[in-house]
Amino acid sequence: DVKVTQSSRYLVKRTGEKVFLECVQDMDHENMFWYRQDPGLGLRLIYFSYDVKMKEKGDIPEGYSVSREKKERFSLILESASTNQTSMYLCASDKRGLGGYGYTFGSGTRLTVV
Amino acid sequence: AQTVTQSQPEMSVQEAETVTLSCTYDTSESDYYLFWYKQPPSRQMILVIRQEAYKQQNATENRFSVNFQKAAKSFSLKISDSQLGDAAMYFCAYRSGEDSNYQLIWGAGTKLIIKP
Repeated sequence: DVKVTQSSRYLVKRTGEKVFLECVQDMDHENMFWYRQDPGLGLRLIYFSYDVKMKEKGDIPEGYSVSREKKERFSLILESASTNQTSMYLCASDKRGLGGYGYTFGSGTRLTVV
Repeated sequence: AQTVTQSQPEMSVQEAETVTLSCTYDTSESDYYLFWYKQPPSRQMILVIRQEAYKQQNATENRFSVNFQKAAKSFSLKISDSQLGDAAMYFCAYRSGEDSNYQLIWGAGTKLIIKP
């Protein structure tokens, strides 16, 4: 069964901490995405990557960065966590050229910044 | 730019009955894909059904079917014989077929409540 795995389901961090959210897929997918989900705001794209070492800004990249050193792993980094980054974070991936089949999602990470 | 609109923030239905969730979209493209995703309280987003714009036939997956009206740019999801396990957030999404690596465009979601 194909999988997208997010390393933590729940995370509590302090303001100002550097936070790493990890996402790993075992499907040999080129495309990977990080979303933020907040009530009433739906899914908002933070960053995406089409290949190793490539990254593109999404709609709300401010306060975030990403790393894609290996094809299977896409990390979201909060350089200095703030309370307004408390949210649900979703990772997704799909195969280049097979966009008609949609994304496979991870289970999400609920991040609380205190 | 493409947009996706789900005008129903919340819907409720009696168990075993049928419910329809609405989705409209705006695009100038002729080649695209449309999706319905389900996000239960356990949170993992699951693909429910997909539709290719060039196919006139409406997609069906067991109790889930769509009413795809290309000219009206409407893509509604019908759930027949609703079950308690259908309770979830439902998201409609669009993806360009001209560049299938382009990211999905999402609606705001509809919360579906199933009454026992």
